[in-house]
Amino acid sequence: AQKVTQAQTEISVVEKEDVTLDCVYETRDTTYYLFWYKQPPSGELVFLIRRNSFDEQNEISGRYSWNFQKSTSSFNFTITASQVVDSAVYFCALSEASGGFKTIFGAGTRLFVKA
Amino acid sequence: EPEVTQTPSHQVTQMGQEVILRCVPISNHLYFYWYRQILGQKVEFLVSFYNNEISEKSEIFDDQFSVERPDGSNFTLKIRSTKLEDSAMYFCASIISSYNEQFFGPGTRLTVL
Repeated sequence: AQKVTQAQTEISVVEKEDVTLDCVYETRDTTYYLFWYKQPPSGELVFLIRRNSFDEQNEISGRYSWNFQKSTSSFNFTITASQVVDSAVYFCALSEASGGFKTIFGAGTRLFVKA
Repeated sequence: EPEVTQTPSHQVTQMGQEVILRCVPISNHLYFYWYRQILGQKVEFLVSFYNNEISEKSEIFDDQFSVERPDGSNFTLKIRSTKLEDSAMYFCASIISSYNEQFFGPGTRLTVL
């Protein structure tokens, strides 16, 4: 069965600090996708990144970076030099080939960035 | 850029009433999904739809729920007799094929009084 665990319920940082959001997943599939979504207070889901199971290369996009490690089934997300606008709930998610590619979300991590 | 749209953005209804939530997926997409997010909780899968039939549904998706693609462009979620616990944000999503990214709509916030 597929499962996504985000152990950090809430994180509070001061602006300009770096912050890492953890994500651990479980799957028996060899073909799967991992995602991160941002949910601001307005409620919509903002897509941040998708990685497939065959591509373990880490990725950097501006202040955002992602570390995908199959050996530890983790897909962690780091925000460098955090800003107040980064305050939101962040969801890690997984979709599997055997699951019809429906998306299974983690419980989310609420990030507060204080000025 | 193509996007998934949902209407209404917010619906308020009385307990026991029927509601229909509407979604317009991206035009060439073939797989459609509904998800639910109770306030403060995680996003949960409800149902997937492909080739005019349900391909998978979760335990949440009981007999009170139904989905339909009535005209080749809209994708609807109907709740026959709403309960207080149906209050949630409902997201529609679509993908062009099973190996692609899901595009999520902005959501419909349903409030049952």
